[in-house]
Amino acid sequence: AQSVTQLGSHVSVSEGALVLLRCNYSSSVPPYLFWYVQYPNQGLQLLLKYTTGATLVKGINGFEAEFKKSETSFHLTKPSAHMSDAAEYFCAVSEVPPNDYKLSFGAGTTVTVRA
Amino acid sequence: GAGVSQSPSNKVTEKGKDVELRCDPISGHTALYWYRQSLGQGLEFLIYFQGNSAPDKSGLPSDRFSAERTGGSVSTLTIQRTQQEDSAVYLCASSYTSGGAVEQYFGPGTRLTVT
Repeated sequence: AQSVTQLGSHVSVSEGALVLLRCNYSSSVPPYLFWYVQYPNQGLQLLLKYTTGATLVKGINGFEAEFKKSETSFHLTKPSAHMSDAAEYFCAVSEVPPNDYKLSFGAGTTVTVRA
Repeated sequence: GAGVSQSPSNKVTEKGKDVELRCDPISGHTALYWYRQSLGQGLEFLIYFQGNSAPDKSGLPSDRFSAERTGGSVSTLTIQRTQQEDSAVYLCASSYTSGGAVEQYFGPGTRLTVT
C-alpha cells in the first residue's frame, strides 16, 4: 500500500506570507497525487491533482504544487496567505492500477493564519 | 447542483448498539466510497462501489462493518455491536466514474460517538 507523510501537523503563517506544506509519498511507480482542503465541519474539497504531464500543477484559490519524482515529493504552496486559507490540508496518493481509485491520505496539516 | 449528502450529521450511540449511516451521492455518479476519519488513524479507506461490480471491501476494519448500495445510488454503512473505537467521522464520497485520476466529491460526514 502507498503511504504519505506530511511534515508538520500544524503550520502558522502571517497573512500575506508564503504558505508551504510538505508532502512525501512512497511509490515504486508514478502515482496520482492530490491535495484536499477541509474546512471545519465540512467534507474534503479538491485543491489540485497531478496525473501526468506538467509537473507544476495549479489549483484553486491560488495554490500550486510541484511533483518531483526524484524526491518523491508533492509540496503545496501559495505565495500570499489569506485569512480564508485557515483549514486542514491533506495530501493523498492513489494506489497503483487497477486499484487506483483507492486513496491513501497523509495525517493532515492544520494551517492557521495570523492577522 | 446538489453535492454529496450524509445523514445523520451526528450520531451518539451506546456501546453494543447497531447504527446505520446514510450517503446520497451526486446524481449520475457511478462510483461511491466510504472513508473513516479518526484521531488515531487519520483518513482511512473503507469500501468502494462501482456500478454493478462487486464492491472492494478491503478497508473494512472488522466483520461488524458492512455496506450496501441500492439501485446504484444511495448507500448505507452499518456498524453492528458498536465499540468505543468506532467513534470517528465517517465520510462518503462519489465520482462520475472510477479510476485514480478522477475527483472524488466528499460529503460533510457523520460524526459517530460511541459511549
